[in-house]
Parts: sequence; C-alpha cells; structure tokens
Amino acid sequence: EPEVTQTPSHQVTQMGQEVILRCVPISNHLYFYWYRQILGQKVEFLVSFYNNEISEKSEIFDDQFSVERPDGSNFTLKIRSTKLEDSAMYFCASSEPGLSGNTIYFGEGSWLTVV
Amino acid sequence: QKEVEQNSGPLSVPEGAIASLNCTYSDRGSQSFFWYRQYSGKSPELIMSIYSNGDKEDGRFTAQLNKASQYVSLLIRDSQPSDSATYLCAVIRNQAGTALIFGKGTTLSVSS
Repeated sequence: EPEVTQTPSHQVTQMGQEVILRCVPISNHLYFYWYRQILGQKVEFLVSFYNNEISEKSEIFDDQFSVERPDGSNFTLKIRSTKLEDSAMYFCASSEPGLSGNTIYFGEGSWLTVV
Repeated sequence: QKEVEQNSGPLSVPEGAIASLNCTYSDRGSQSFFWYRQYSGKSPELIMSIYSNGDKEDGRFTAQLNKASQYVSLLIRDSQPSDSATYLCAVIRNQAGTALIFGKGTTLSVSS
C-alpha cells in the first residue's frame, strides 16, 4: 500500500539552528500538508501546498517556516531559527481529492526536539 | 475560527461493548467530516469519512452525522483491546480548501 514517508524520524537541534524535515508524499497525490503535534496536545494544521504554491496556511505558519518541493518527489518543511516551543512531532500528509472525497494520509512523523 | 470539540475522556468500556464517541463543530457550513484513530506515538490513521446526514457503516464502525445539531459521532461495536487509542474528529478547515482541522481527541480504553 502506498505510504507517505518522512525523514528523519527524530532530530535533536540546538535553539536557533535551522532544521529541514523531509517527506515523500504518495506518488499520485497532488496536495501536500504539514501538521504538528506538541506532546499531549492536538494535531495542528500548518500549511497545505498545491501546484507548487501554498494554498492554505495557519497562523502558526509564520516567517520562521517555509515549504518547498525541490524535485518531483520530495516535500520539505524548513524551520529557520528553531525555538524551544517548536519541539513537536511534525506530520507530513498528502491527498488526492476525488469523487469519493478527500482522504488525507499521514506519514509516521518526524519528532523534533529543540534544546 | 472554526472549532472542533471533543470530550477528552478517557472513555472506558469493557471488551465487547459499544463505544460511543462524540464531536461537535462550530461552522454550520461544514460539509465533510472525518474520524481518525491515533495510537500513542503514532500518526493519525483514517477510519471513516461522512458527508451526508445519517449513518454510515464500515465493519464494526458507524459514523453518524447530524448537520442541524452540528454533531458527529462514531460508534464502535464489539470493542476490542486493540481499539484502545485516541480518536480524532476532523472537519475541512476552509470550504474552498482541502486541509483538515482536528479536535483534541477522545481517548478510548477497552479492558479485557
């Protein structure tokens, strides 16, 4: 079964450092997403991406964050200058809306720890 | 700001019982609703989607939607210990978009 893959599974970084989280969405999907989940809290939407541009973003997705699709398969989330409060699980997801609706499939997540 | 509300639980049921999970949403214009299951430390996994008022059944799971009351529920029949997880209700964030917003989730514990 096709799946969304994410790397790394866990990254520890120092406050102020830049982090890039990588994702390979399901191959025939055209919509890509990043969500985050701080430990013990709800899954929060960050950004969606379609046709090589951001289609939606939340108030969390400020200038510290950026997304890119550098080639035909990868989708990345960059956090420019990490803060302690960026420590969270980051989920990449993808979907392909169709007549039967829009099912969003999640990757296994990248756990980011900022120290 | 759209909101999705769920009772955080925990909801405890014995093995074989019916578990009933509830969700309310703030935007009367919402059209698409989803139930995800999340095991501890894992990613959300889609259980069911529902778009029309009424019931939708899939195996042991039944989703119920009442748009007039802005209420979505998930029934799990013959609950198993493996159903112990957090169940997330989600709605489309923006009617012109595809992204979802999630409730905080209800933790279900099924005892054997």
